[in-house]
Parts: sequence; structure tokens; C-alpha cells
Amino acid sequence: AQTVTQSQPEMSVQEAETVTLSCTYDTSESDYYLFWYKQPPSRQMILVIRQEAYKQQNATENRFSVNFQKAAKSFSLKISDSQLGDAAMYFCAYRSGVTSGSRLTFGEGTQLTVNP
Amino acid sequence: EADIYQTPRYLVIGTGKKITLECSQTMGHDKMYWYQQDPGMELHLIHYSYGVNSTEKGDLSSESTVSRIRTEHFPLTLESARPSHTSQYLCASSDPGRGKSQETQYFGPGTRLLVL
Repeated sequence: AQTVTQSQPEMSVQEAETVTLSCTYDTSESDYYLFWYKQPPSRQMILVIRQEAYKQQNATENRFSVNFQKAAKSFSLKISDSQLGDAAMYFCAYRSGVTSGSRLTFGEGTQLTVNP
Repeated sequence: EADIYQTPRYLVIGTGKKITLECSQTMGHDKMYWYQQDPGMELHLIHYSYGVNSTEKGDLSSESTVSRIRTEHFPLTLESARPSHTSQYLCASSDPGRGKSQETQYFGPGTRLLVL
């Protein structure tokens, strides 16, 4: 079974600065997808960024980028120019590309605080 | 934000009561999911459905049941609520998009359940 680990329960960053959230995963599969989701307080969970394991290039979405290290099974999220609206719980998630279905396995989450 | 809705948003109920948490989506997604999330914790999949009349149990054992009579509707029922059922319940649906690599899960706002 796959597992996802986020070793930082809480992180904080100053507004306009850069922060990196860590995520590691364990799998024996070679085909899979990785995601970062954001859950603001009392608001819906939304997808921030995704990475296909077969792609070597790191995904980027505006101020959000990932550092995908397949051999190390590491998938960190970098938020540049942090904004107050980035404050949220961030979840790393894994989806198999081998087994049928679209089930996600989530990490424990990292609570990000953005200080003005 | 995606068109996926959950009602009620908050529910306080006594032990032994039967409750149904509603989830509906207007996107025509075949795949739908229920997750349970304790405060500040990761999400655990408790039920999923890949289409009408198809339901499966997820990774976390749950005393709840689900049904999928219509594509857009995926209600979750607890026949006899207990304090141990106190949690947040998140519904999601997924869109195959342009292929498995583009499939995205969209989340509802959640139902916070408190059983006294």
C-alpha cells in the first residue's frame, strides 16, 4: 500500500517570502500522480498543482512549483512571493496510475501561516 | 470553484439518531467519493462510487452506508449516530478530463458533524 508523509505539521512564512513544504511517499509503482491540495479555513479543498511521475520536468503554476525527486520519492511544494491568501492547510496526495480507479491517498497535512 | 454541494454544512445531533449527509454535483462526473477528516488531520477515504448503482468501501472502515441511484447524487447515511462519528465529512467527484493524467478530484465544502 502507498503511504504519504508530511513531516512538517506547521510552517510559517513572511508575506512576499518563499516557503517550501515537504512531502515524501512510499510506493513500488512506477506510474503514479502526485498532487498538492490547499484547504483554507472553512473553505473547500482545491487543487494547487499536479505532477505526473513519468514527467521529469517539475510542474509549475504561477507562484507554485514543485521539486519532484522520483528516486528519492520526494515531492516538495515551493510557494514564491507568499500572500496572506496562501494561509491554509496543504495536503500532499498520491494516486496510482497502475491500479484501476482514481483513489487518492493523503498525507497528514501542513498548516501554513503567512505573517504580514 | 467546482459545482459540488454538501448539506448540511453543520449538524449537531444526539446519539442514536439516523442522519443522511447529502452530496450533489452538477458536472456529470461518474466518480464520487466520501472522505472523513478529523480536525487538523489527513483525509481518509470511506466510500467511493464509479457510477450509478456502484459503491465500494474505502480505506477506512466506517459504519456509514452510501447509495448512488443518480449520477449527480451520493448521499451518506448513519443509521445510529454515535459520538465516535463526530468528524468532518468531505464529498468529492472526479473528472477524467483529457485522460487519466488530467483527472482531478473536486471537493465539496464539507459537513461538520457533532454527535452528543
